[in-house]
Amino acid sequence: GEDVEQSLFLSVREGDSSVINCTYTDSSSTYLYWYKQEPGAGLQLLTYIFSNMDMKQDQRLTVLLNKKDKHLSLRIADTQTGDSAIYFCAETTGGFKTIFGAGTRLFVKA
Amino acid sequence: NAGVTQTPKFRVLKTGQSMTLLCAQDMNHEYMYWYRQDPGMGLRLIHYSVGEGTTAKGEVPDGYNVSRLKKQNFLLGLESAAPSQTSVYFCASSYSHGNSYNEQFFGPGTRLTVL
Repeated sequence: GEDVEQSLFLSVREGDSSVINCTYTDSSSTYLYWYKQEPGAGLQLLTYIFSNMDMKQDQRLTVLLNKKDKHLSLRIADTQTGDSAIYFCAETTGGFKTIFGAGTRLFVKA
Repeated sequence: NAGVTQTPKFRVLKTGQSMTLLCAQDMNHEYMYWYRQDPGMGLRLIHYSVGEGTTAKGEVPDGYNVSRLKKQNFLLGLESAAPSQTSVYFCASSYSHGNSYNEQFFGPGTRLTVL
């Protein structure tokens, strides 16, 4: 069945790089997403990658996709305290339904 | 544009009481969703709608009902609240791109406690 898994916590020091990992099970996934949830707010799309891409870079964000291993990662360069949030990995397998992971809570220590 | 709005923001219910959560979007999106968020479990889909007048069950529909009488509104009802329904509820909407790209726009959430 469809499932998206990610570790629950990550702690980094300000200025370091953060890498958040995710595995998914549906090999027919066409789009994979990273959403960010700040305290007391709803989720907001951070970035996405189409399944025919291996990498996507957007300023401090780098998304890597390994389709063979069904592994997705989000790297945040020069992590700042404002990056502290919960990051959700998600996939759309077809149509409009999206499967979300449990979320990784990123703590950034000053 | 206000985006996706939800009312109320907070609510405390006693077991057995009923209530309705209202979601509104001003982006003319076809698709709307209700999720619940529980610690360590991420988002679970309760019900969704692919257009005005349509609704469908998601992953965890039991104990909830929905209606979408107008395209911009999606209502979530709890007929007889139970403590297991204590959660944060998020509404979301998305636009049909004709492919499987599905960026969802989320409301700020409703924190519900059932005593």
